[in-house]
Amino acid sequence: EDKVVQSPLSLVVHEGDTVTLNCSYEVTNFRSLLWYKQEKKAPTFLFMLTSSGIEKKSGRLSSILDKKELFSILNITATQTGDSAVYLCAGYPNTDKLIFGTGTRLQVFP
Amino acid sequence: GAGVSQSPSNKVTEKGKDVELRCDPISGHTALYWYRQSLGQGLEFLIYFQGNSAPDKSGLPSDRFSAERTGGSVSTLTIQRTQQEDSAVYLCASSSQGAQFNQPQHFGDGTRLSIL
Repeated sequence: EDKVVQSPLSLVVHEGDTVTLNCSYEVTNFRSLLWYKQEKKAPTFLFMLTSSGIEKKSGRLSSILDKKELFSILNITATQTGDSAVYLCAGYPNTDKLIFGTGTRLQVFP
Repeated sequence: GAGVSQSPSNKVTEKGKDVELRCDPISGHTALYWYRQSLGQGLEFLIYFQGNSAPDKSGLPSDRFSAERTGGSVSTLTIQRTQQEDSAVYLCASSSQGAQFNQPQHFGDGTRLSIL
């Protein structure tokens, strides 16, 4: 059965800290891995990773995929209170449905 | 529209009633997906539309759940004879091309459904 596991379940940091969120996956016919940020409502798309070892970056956020070890990390540097959210990781097999983990809840305090 | 639009944003209803949830995808997006997010659970796939066809309904939890899409655009998810375990946030997503093209899915704000 396909599954995606995220760790830690929750994280509390202070502004300015750097955090690393982990995602491991077992997905049949894996195509890509996606990261989303969910604040109050819609999960907002962050990154889609298809190739191993190629870092994707957007401002203070970056992510990388390791297809040999079947995991991905999402890094956030110089965290801000606006980064507080649930971060969702999803595996995309060669079908139509995303396989989601249960998320990491990040709280950033001033 | 600019993003995926869902309505209503909140729905409270009594057990046994039928409900309809609506999704308007991003303009031009051919693929549409429904997911359900229960408290403490990950997003759970329900159904996928390519155009007006639903090639994958495998996630619908029971025959009380059905969905349709018309004009290759708006979709409606219907839950008949609602039960308390149907309480969840129902999320709709769309992507620019069919699922086989490995495009990211973009989500709406969801409908929070509460069954009393």
